[in-house]
Amino acid sequence: DGGITQSPKYLFRKEGQNVTLSCEQNLNHDAMYWYRQDPGQGLRLIYYSQIVNDFQKGDIAEGYSVSREKKESFPLTVTSAQKNPTAFYLCASSNWPGELFFGEGSRLTVL
Amino acid sequence: DAKTTQPTSMDCAEGRAANLPCNHSTISGNEYVYWYRQIHSQGPQYIIHGLKNNETNEMASLIITEDRKSSTLILPHATLRDTAVYYCIVKAGGTSYGKLTFGQGTILTVHP
Repeated sequence: DGGITQSPKYLFRKEGQNVTLSCEQNLNHDAMYWYRQDPGQGLRLIYYSQIVNDFQKGDIAEGYSVSREKKESFPLTVTSAQKNPTAFYLCASSNWPGELFFGEGSRLTVL
Repeated sequence: DAKTTQPTSMDCAEGRAANLPCNHSTISGNEYVYWYRQIHSQGPQYIIHGLKNNETNEMASLIITEDRKSSTLILPHATLRDTAVYYCIVKAGGTSYGKLTFGQGTILTVHP
């Protein structure tokens, strides 16, 4: 089945550690996105990529990094520079600007 | 992209139609109206979108006023599984992907 796979579903991190969240899609979509969601809040865009080897910052890119070496993959690294990383992270892809397909999310907790 | 205003929460009885309103009074001519929903602890799910005409698919209907300043998402026969946060989003069309801004949305609770 086509879809978006995020892993891990749950992740615990100690302060000062970098962590990388995986996002893979087999929908052959050009664009991929990373959003962050805090409890009771809407989604905020971290980074997005329209094509391989190109990506743009969203509204809250500080403390995060991404790469887009393959069309299918768009991993997100949460660095130690992100001061409040505990959140629900959502990856999405699309072939049309408004129609995004989301993964099931990764929940990161900093201990 | 134009800003949207939605009620914070709404209730609906199971089996009845759920009508979710959205105001987007500053919408531009090339901006589409999109609706998504998010069931607790899951990723958002695309529902429907439209530009000027009313749209219907297997999930819902979208009614856009003639002046395009507001719209209504209609779930014709709501079920308990439709309980979710519903987001109304306005986004320019064309080939620019850009960002899709998710606000607070409307919490729809469907009661037995």
